[in-house]
Amino acid sequence: EPEVTQTPSHQVTQMGQEVILRCVPISNHLYFYWYRQILGQKVEFLVSFYNNEISEKSEIFDDQFSVERPDGSNFTLKIRSTKLEDSAMYFCASSEYGQLVITGELFFGEGSRLTVL
Amino acid sequence: AQTVTQSQPEMSVQEAETVTLSCTYDTSESNYYLFWYKQPPSRQMILVIRQEAYKQQNATENRFSVNFQKAAKSFSLKISDSQLGDTAMYFCAFMKPYNTDKLIFGTGTRLQVFP
Repeated sequence: EPEVTQTPSHQVTQMGQEVILRCVPISNHLYFYWYRQILGQKVEFLVSFYNNEISEKSEIFDDQFSVERPDGSNFTLKIRSTKLEDSAMYFCASSEYGQLVITGELFFGEGSRLTVL
Repeated sequence: AQTVTQSQPEMSVQEAETVTLSCTYDTSESNYYLFWYKQPPSRQMILVIRQEAYKQQNATENRFSVNFQKAAKSFSLKISDSQLGDTAMYFCAFMKPYNTDKLIFGTGTRLQVFP
């Protein structure tokens, strides 16, 4: 069964360093998302992406964050200069249709744990 | 702004028994979607069940069913005949349709099924 894959599973970085988290969505999906979960807190929406542009972003997704689909298969989240509070589990997701309403299903990866020291 | 609250951080149940996970939400919208997602240990989050707010009938998927109380803004998940494989983190989520495809999640309930 096709699935969303994420790399790395765990990354440790120093504050101020750039980090790129990678995701390979399901191949026929057109809508891509990043969510994050700070330990013990809610899973929070970061950004949605369709047709090579951001369709929606949250207030968390400030100028330090960017997303890209560089080669038609990978979907990346870049954090330009990491802060301690960026430590979280980052989940990539994809869906075949937008707005989730047709299938009601978002397919998630296993997550990338980012630890900022 | 919409919020989703799961007041049970942890629950446990014996195999073959029934367990109910609670979820409440707050919204001023009349039409919306509600979901339960399951995240087994070290695995992906997967959709368990969804409910459209305009449908009065409670959704059912095999051993999983919901009790949707729109007036009370309550959306509980009932797992019947619990199995060891049901051990997971369960997230309740809300989505307002049209103009957004953002899911709003609760904090999750960790369910442990004991043999």
